[in-house]
Amino acid sequence: EAQVTQNPRYLITVTGKKLTVTCSQNMNHEYMSWYRQDPGLGLRQIYYSMNVEVTDKGDVPEGYKVSRKEKRNFPLILESPSPNQTSLYFCASSLRTGPDSPLHFGNGTRLTVT
Amino acid sequence: AQSVAQPEDQVNVAEGNPLTVKCTYSVSGNPYLFWYVQYPNRGLQFLLKYITGDNLVKGSYGFEAEFNKSQTSFHLKKPSALVSDSALYFCAVRASYSSASKIIFGSGTRLSIRP
Repeated sequence: EAQVTQNPRYLITVTGKKLTVTCSQNMNHEYMSWYRQDPGLGLRQIYYSMNVEVTDKGDVPEGYKVSRKEKRNFPLILESPSPNQTSLYFCASSLRTGPDSPLHFGNGTRLTVT
Repeated sequence: AQSVAQPEDQVNVAEGNPLTVKCTYSVSGNPYLFWYVQYPNRGLQFLLKYITGDNLVKGSYGFEAEFNKSQTSFHLKKPSALVSDSALYFCAVRASYSSASKIIFGSGTRLSIRP
């Protein structure tokens, strides 16, 4: 089944403890991105990647890192999580890097930082 | 600058009645417009898109959307609502000259269909 898979679905951690949220897509998509969804703020882009080894900052990149060593994987790394990073996170991908290609989303990771 | 407005936080409709979820946009040049739906505990799912051509586009689950260039709107519609249509709906826009990364989402409209 064609899909974007995120893990874990739920994560509770403490301030400062490094964590990684994995994202993998099996559709050979070129483009991948990370979003956070917060009440009243909608979806905000964290980082995106146009191709392997090509990543760039979105609107809210502070406190996050990403890597794209393989086409299918795009992990999100929080080196030192803080409570303001408590949010619902989504990974998304699209077949092409052009503006007409719709996004395919994972089911989300709900992160709580205490 | 690109922007998307969904003026209604919530829309309530009785099952079997037509529904409309409103979206207006602002973008330089030609817009590429999208609708996504989010069910509880799930990611967003693509419903339909307008790129060019016929102003009325049809998508998944019986939904359609009408592009109106003069009113800069892209309202989502369905002739007969189902209880299972209850979800959060997002409108999104990209400029035709931009890349996949330059997508702006609206704040979302919660659609509630009562039996």
